[in-house]
Amino acid sequence: GQNIDQPTEMTATEGAIVQINCTYQTSGFNGLFWYQQHAGEAPTFLSYNVLDGLEEKGRFSSFLSRSKGYSYLLLKELQMKDSASYLCAVMDSNYQLIWGAGTKLIIKP
Amino acid sequence: EADIYQTPRYLVIGTGKKITLECSQTMGHDKMYWYQQDPGMELHLIHYSYGVNSTEKGDLSSESTVSRIRTEHFPLTLESARPSHTSQYLCASSEYRDTDTQYFGPGTRLTVL
Repeated sequence: GQNIDQPTEMTATEGAIVQINCTYQTSGFNGLFWYQQHAGEAPTFLSYNVLDGLEEKGRFSSFLSRSKGYSYLLLKELQMKDSASYLCAVMDSNYQLIWGAGTKLIIKP
Repeated sequence: EADIYQTPRYLVIGTGKKITLECSQTMGHDKMYWYQQDPGMELHLIHYSYGVNSTEKGDLSSESTVSRIRTEHFPLTLESARPSHTSQYLCASSEYRDTDTQYFGPGTRLTVL
């Protein structure tokens, strides 16, 4: 079967750095997406990785290792507004997105 | 920023009612999707469309139908609502390439009593 694993919840301090991991087992791979979802709202796109390595976009970076079936989202200089769930999704061989259950990130002052 | 709209935002109805959830996008995107999401859980694909007159079933499609008569409009219909349909319904759209990013509407929170 297809599976996406991410931690259920993480806590971090304002101004700090946090890394959210995602491991996957899917039938084929056509890229990995990270989305942010505030409580009660729709997911918003953060990043897309299809090749190995690190993609940096402002305070957010995303890393991919296809051989290890592993990705992480790195958030720097955390702000209170970063409190949200972070969803990892992998596009399989049929170009369907397989979603993780999300990691709820709690930011403390 | 994606322009994709869903109505109603919240809906409370009784068991057995027929309901249609509306979704429209103004970006001219070819592909559209319906997902169901329960709190703290992953998104599940219900239906999707590659373009006008194209509809495909996802994982949870058996109790709902969709239509795609116009590019911008992709309504979801539940013929007979049940309490198990209580959930958040999210509509999304993307451009024509298979790996294009999906942009989401604000969602419809449905409660079936």
